[in-house]
Parts: sequence; structure tokens; C-alpha cells
Amino acid sequence: DTAVSQTPKYLVTQMGNDKSIKCEQNLGHDTMYWYKQDSKKFLKIMFSYNNKELIINETVPNRFSPKSPDKAHLNLHINSLELGDSAVYFCASSQGAGGSGNTIYFGEGSWLTVV
Amino acid sequence: KQEVTQIPAALSVPEGENLVLNCSFTDSAIYNLQWFRQDPGKGLTSLLLIQSSQREQTSGRLNASLDKSSGRSTLYIAASQPGDSATYLCASSGGGADGLTFGKGTHLIIQP
Repeated sequence: DTAVSQTPKYLVTQMGNDKSIKCEQNLGHDTMYWYKQDSKKFLKIMFSYNNKELIINETVPNRFSPKSPDKAHLNLHINSLELGDSAVYFCASSQGAGGSGNTIYFGEGSWLTVV
Repeated sequence: KQEVTQIPAALSVPEGENLVLNCSFTDSAIYNLQWFRQDPGKGLTSLLLIQSSQREQTSGRLNASLDKSSGRSTLYIAASQPGDSATYLCASSGGGADGLTFGKGTHLIIQP
């Protein structure tokens, strides 16, 4: 019954590898997001998808690519992983854009460690 | 560019006390402001959302206020309990699909 679910929850991988994090929401929302929480616990938006179109991309390296097969899914692909990519990645969703006044719902996070 | 600041960064109080967490933002042209709670190893749980036209929102022991003109919001927690221990984050939205701009949070510990 989880509203926003993401997998895997924990991921440890070596530098240079390519990995994906999957996200699904069952709320019927039309906007999904990826946020990154760094080692200092600072949350920052990476991507926003509305109706399967990328709306924003906040200075994220092009090694990161969001892919949305449908309105309920927004997966995050990361190529050539670097040590600095180690962080917690949160998926989120809302009805309409976040600024429309609707609450944004977050998944429980995916802990990525690059060694 | 919007910047959100939360003070204090950490707070430890005895159980039963009323407390106030502060949030300030540099650009008053916000669409709404949300307060979230984050427990260790968990995601974010939305507590309260205040639209730009509103002054406050209440949910149980929580009350959030918004003063756009001064760029401030406060989260008031009444009769604190150990279960309130968590990190509290405020985040502003500028409208559109630009998501939220978060503060760095206040780490709250309620001592039993």
C-alpha cells in the first residue's frame, strides 16, 4: 500500500559501474521527482517529470538520466558512477506541479554507496 | 535563487515542553511552504502545507505559521513527546514544476 515506492533501498557498487533506481507511485499523480540528499543531509531537487516530459534539470551531470515509461514510474539511471555520487536518492510525486499547492509525497529513499 | 535557512540546526528539550522551530526564506514570492518530518533511515513525511494566501495551518499538536512579507515560517510543537524526535525540514515552492527548495533541517531530540 506504499504510495511512493523505490528500489533498491540499499545499493553498494564500485566506481565506474552503471546502476538504476526504480520508482513507482500508486497515487495517480502526474508529476514525479528525484531528489538527492548529500552527506550533510541537504536535500536538493534533481529532476521533475510532468506528463512524461522533463520539466527541470538542476545542474545534474549528464551521467544521470531519468526515464519515465509511464505516468506512474520514474526511474533514475546513473552511468560511470563516481565516489561523489554516494548519497540518498529520494523519489517523490504530486498531483500537478509541486507549486500548485498540492502536497509532495516522498518515497523512503535509496542509499547509494560507491566504493 | 531561493535560499531556505532553518534555525536552530539542533535542539534538545525535556518532554512536555512547547517549542518553536524557525524557517526563513530569501524570496518572498513563494507559492506555498511545507513542513516535513524525517526519521533516521526513512523518507520524508509531510506535516503541514501553508498556501501563500494563508497565515497558518494546524494539525493536532502542530501549528505552522507563515509571514511572507518577512520571509519567515515557524513550526510550533505543543506538549512535546519523545516520539517527536526527528529532523524537521521546511521547504518552499516557487510555483510551476520547480519542486521544493529545502532548508537543512532542525534535528530535534525530546528527552524522556
